[in-house]
Amino acid sequence: GQNIDQPTEMTATEGAIVQINCTYQTSGFNGLFWYQQHAGEAPTFLSYNVLDGLEEKGRFSSFLSRSKGYSYLLLKELQMKDSASYLCAVRLDYKLSFGAGTTVTVRA
Amino acid sequence: DAGVIQSPRHEVTEMGQEVTLRCKPISGHDYLFWYRQTMMRGLELLIYFNNNVPIDDSGMPEDRFSAKMPNASFSTLKIQPSEPRDSAVYFCASSSGSQPQHFGDGTRLSIL
Repeated sequence: GQNIDQPTEMTATEGAIVQINCTYQTSGFNGLFWYQQHAGEAPTFLSYNVLDGLEEKGRFSSFLSRSKGYSYLLLKELQMKDSASYLCAVRLDYKLSFGAGTTVTVRA
Repeated sequence: DAGVIQSPRHEVTEMGQEVTLRCKPISGHDYLFWYRQTMMRGLELLIYFNNNVPIDDSGMPEDRFSAKMPNASFSTLKIQPSEPRDSAVYFCASSSGSQPQHFGDGTRLSIL
């Protein structure tokens, strides 16, 4: 089975930094994805890690440690529009198994 | 470029009725995925296709659910007969090989 854990909720202030952790125990691993989902909308792709280390894309960065079964998504210079749910997903072959998502609320 | 297109966006029907959800993947994508999202269970993969062939349907909840992909530009997910517990948002996604999946806007299904 797949076990993917991430915090349920986080709150941060506009302009600040927030780190969303994701731990996983899965029967296989072909990469870890982060998706953003605004309320009532579709998930949209943010980042992808297949090797250990940090991937940076503008204000968003994602880190992976395969030996520890651990990833995090770092959101810098938070903006109000970053208020959303962030989903961690592990790929096995072509299947994605999603965590329950972390709801981030950005306050002024 | 057009993204993944799903229809209808909303569907409200009575239990026992047949429900058909439709999806047009991004042109050129060879993988198509059907997901269901609920508050209780989150986002779950139901079935996926590669080059129009079903590869893994282990997430399909029961025989009331069926999915087809008659060609590279169209897929359907059917529920017959529908039950209130089928109420959820159903997403279709597509990808090219191992590239990230792109999701459609979803169908919000309510079974009364």
